[in-house]
Amino acid sequence: EAGVAQSPRYKIIEKRQSVAFWCNPISGHATLYWYQQILGQGPKLLIQFQNNGVVDDSQLPKDRFSAERLKGVDSTLKIQPAKLEDSAVYLCASRGSVRNTIYFGEGSWLTVV
Amino acid sequence: AQTVTQSQPEMSVQEAETVTLSCTYDTSENNYYLFWYKQPPSRQMILVIRQEAYKQQNATENRFSVNFQKAAKSFSLKISDSQLGDTAMYFCAFMKPVLTRDDKIIFGKGTRLHILP
Repeated sequence: EAGVAQSPRYKIIEKRQSVAFWCNPISGHATLYWYQQILGQGPKLLIQFQNNGVVDDSQLPKDRFSAERLKGVDSTLKIQPAKLEDSAVYLCASRGSVRNTIYFGEGSWLTVV
Repeated sequence: AQTVTQSQPEMSVQEAETVTLSCTYDTSENNYYLFWYKQPPSRQMILVIRQEAYKQQNATENRFSVNFQKAAKSFSLKISDSQLGDTAMYFCAFMKPVLTRDDKIIFGKGTRLHILP
């Protein structure tokens, strides 16, 4: 089966600009996660969707970050305006209802200059 | 809240040696899942091994095995016959069962493992 797809893989933007990342989970996976991983740290959950509803967005900086999963399949994570500290890898992951395993995409690398 | 602690920021071993990475966690749950993920420089998170808390038998996957001590809340990873391709960051992770809504993965800070030729 196809894995979790993410795009773009790499993005360099100036501070105060905006950026959007896209994720297509594994087919049939109802749960989708966005994680932020700053260099040298473990991934931190930004938001979790169950189908098209938000389960947990407690660590999402809502003044600048937004995410949606309108049709319960693919998802978009947006940052506007970006700050230098947003430089990180943004990992998308999905999980099916049967196996208790989360599968990750290759990540989207963001550099804010 | 659950926490995952990896006390070894960095380790180095010679190729073909055995290495053990430590992990402890804190939870009040009785049923949960534990994972070890490998992350090479490409940043892809690759599942190495998983353990269900209700299973007493330690999980094994080829050269990778775990020592799961539920009472001590310890979950270490042993890599036997280490290979150069094992060089990567390794993350220990915890997850509540699927039927709970709070079923996100919580990661430790990672251990950077270097396999030396």
